[in-house]
Amino acid sequence: QQQVKQSPQSLIVQKGGISIINCAYENTAFDYFPWYQQFPGKGPALLIAIRPDVSEKKEGRFTISFNKSAKQFSLHIMDSQPGDSATYFCAARRDQAGTALIFGKGTTLSVSS
Amino acid sequence: NAGVMQNPRHLVRRRGQEARLRCSPMKGHSHVYWYRQLPEEGLKFMVYLQKENIIDESGMPKERFSAEFPKEGPSILRIQQVVRGDSAAYFCASSPDGLPYEQYFGPGTRLTVT
Repeated sequence: QQQVKQSPQSLIVQKGGISIINCAYENTAFDYFPWYQQFPGKGPALLIAIRPDVSEKKEGRFTISFNKSAKQFSLHIMDSQPGDSATYFCAARRDQAGTALIFGKGTTLSVSS
Repeated sequence: NAGVMQNPRHLVRRRGQEARLRCSPMKGHSHVYWYRQLPEEGLKFMVYLQKENIIDESGMPKERFSAEFPKEGPSILRIQQVVRGDSAAYFCASSPDGLPYEQYFGPGTRLTVT
């Protein structure tokens, strides 16, 4: 109920391609879904976030698609660049009264040039 | 506007010693969270604090771990009598008033217990 399942664990994409990372959850009380980008030795950086009342949010090359009925959301990185190589984490707010984030286990993205 | 600051960045402790990790939130942020990241794992919530109050400590181990966020100064995560299993990266995050779930992370403290 309190888990966020993320896939794939690792991903290799060619420069210019589309990177897609998927997450699924069970708890219908989750109401905020951020994505974080983490480079080695650094802290996670908030990339983009979505609420369940919208199905898609786009910021530059990054898009979140949200499917409320399927309890799934995904991150799409268009025109992937070598500088996008990092670990990506999806997360969900634990409950409406609280603020703790539940994180997926992460996806390591490598963009080859 | 400086980001979330954490120190030290790296900390080595022998088994049985105490570890103190410090976190200064972003300016204007009054909510602080601590998370722990084990190798190849996502981040696990530990504790949520506001100034002088612990709001949610449901992710904190019952023994040896404590956290505070005093009226003045940084938030501190304290681990007493460290064991090898405490070796991890500890991240602090802060969020602005009105948006407590919009969390911005610091660079982390990497704790190694020898």
